[in-house]
Amino acid sequence: DIQLTQSPSFLSASVGDRVTITCRASQGISSYLAWYQQKPGKAPKLLIYAASTLQSGVPSRFSGSGSGTEFTLTISSLQPEDFATYYCQQLNSYPFFGQGTRLEIK
Amino acid sequence: QLQLQESGSGLVKPSQTLSLTCAVSGGSISSGGYSWSWIRQPPGKGLEWIGYIYHSGSTYYNPSLKSRVTISVDRSKNQFSLKLSSVTAADTAVYYCARVRYYGDYGTDAFDIWGQGTMVTVSS
Repeated sequence: DIQLTQSPSFLSASVGDRVTITCRASQGISSYLAWYQQKPGKAPKLLIYAASTLQSGVPSRFSGSGSGTEFTLTISSLQPEDFATYYCQQLNSYPFFGQGTRLEIK
Repeated sequence: QLQLQESGSGLVKPSQTLSLTCAVSGGSISSGGYSWSWIRQPPGKGLEWIGYIYHSGSTYYNPSLKSRVTISVDRSKNQFSLKLSSVTAADTAVYYCARVRYYGDYGTDAFDIWGQGTMVTVSS
């Protein structure tokens, strides 16, 4: 099985900060990676697919990059509504998720 | 706009079978290019993929759950279902259904529309 490891698991930041979350795959997955945002009590929301393609309606401050085994999700200028948990998901084989990164207000 | 809504028993006894349905509205479950999936999230924990049912009707399950899972589709009712047998307390979770969209230009999928989720507790 392909494992995904997100780092950090917890991130404290301020409104306006630039933040980056990393997702590492245990073996190469090309660009078969998606990113989701989940707020408490809500279903996950698709942000990015194919590693770097922004889902329709998602603000442009979100961006994704990477291929192979290392991927990043970047939020260029944090807004209050961005404080949430973020998950990466690989779709190369079984569509497993990373363990999540909780982004909280500093 | 397509919407998904989970329904089913919120309380299941250990060793019994969990049964959930996902009703699709605002579009047809038979539309080409889409598959349908179940995902779960134990309280305070991360997301676990359970399985897919493809447009063709074929299924694909998480290996760790495969022996206990059945996903099926009822096109006449525009819904798909999950059955998980021999449940234990470890199966207590919020269960989500989701649409899986295939992005042909990129050769990959993503889970683009989700239901709101339904909490299932396994307890006697």
